[in-house]
Amino acid sequence: KNEVEQSPQNLTAQEGEFITINCSYSVGISALHWLQQHPGGGIVSLFMLSSGKKKHGRLIATINIQEKHSSLHITASHPRDSAVYICAVNTGTASKLTFGTGTRLQVTL
Amino acid sequence: GAVVSQHPSWVICKSGTSVKIECRSLDFQATTMFWYRQFPKQSLMLMATSNEGSKATYEQGVEKDKFLINHASLTLSTLTVTSAHPEDSSFYICSARGIGQGAKDYGYTFGSGTRLTVV
Repeated sequence: KNEVEQSPQNLTAQEGEFITINCSYSVGISALHWLQQHPGGGIVSLFMLSSGKKKHGRLIATINIQEKHSSLHITASHPRDSAVYICAVNTGTASKLTFGTGTRLQVTL
Repeated sequence: GAVVSQHPSWVICKSGTSVKIECRSLDFQATTMFWYRQFPKQSLMLMATSNEGSKATYEQGVEKDKFLINHASLTLSTLTVTSAHPEDSSFYICSARGIGQGAKDYGYTFGSGTRLTVV
């Protein structure tokens, strides 16, 4: 079993829909990251969380430390949101990241 | 915000030659650089971690003599794929953690990646 599990693996949505991507982890963490990888391969860091909730534009990330679970929400989805969304964690004091397998999102018109 | 510039974005080379990939932090000091490779539709795989001025720490199974990493300054790290073979064809991407006014509070800034094809 992977230390970081994401669901769903693939997601298709219509423009305007509210999207939720889930991440569960089985190890102690110091931080959780949500990353976005575009079709060309470039990766953008969206959020770094250690508790609570963060919002940036149409993106919201939450984390529940007790339940070892995080969610990434996209409101009013748009085709340009189509990408692979990756959950990653820092375990303990380690600076390297442990990655989930990613969620491939396709938003259609 | 913090930017890591990675070059080249793609390269095609002949089998047996060496290829150098550069990552530069443009407005912050990259104290730690991570180098990853990624096969199609798979997760990022960490190859090595380098701290400025120190030898890189390689992950198990990664040949340090084949994938040479240099992190001689706080703004530049390089990965050289030596004696490249077709099985080295992959997507390589760097990620930096750093300090300074420009350093993102996200913790990690990624380069744009390099697609290497060895023929």
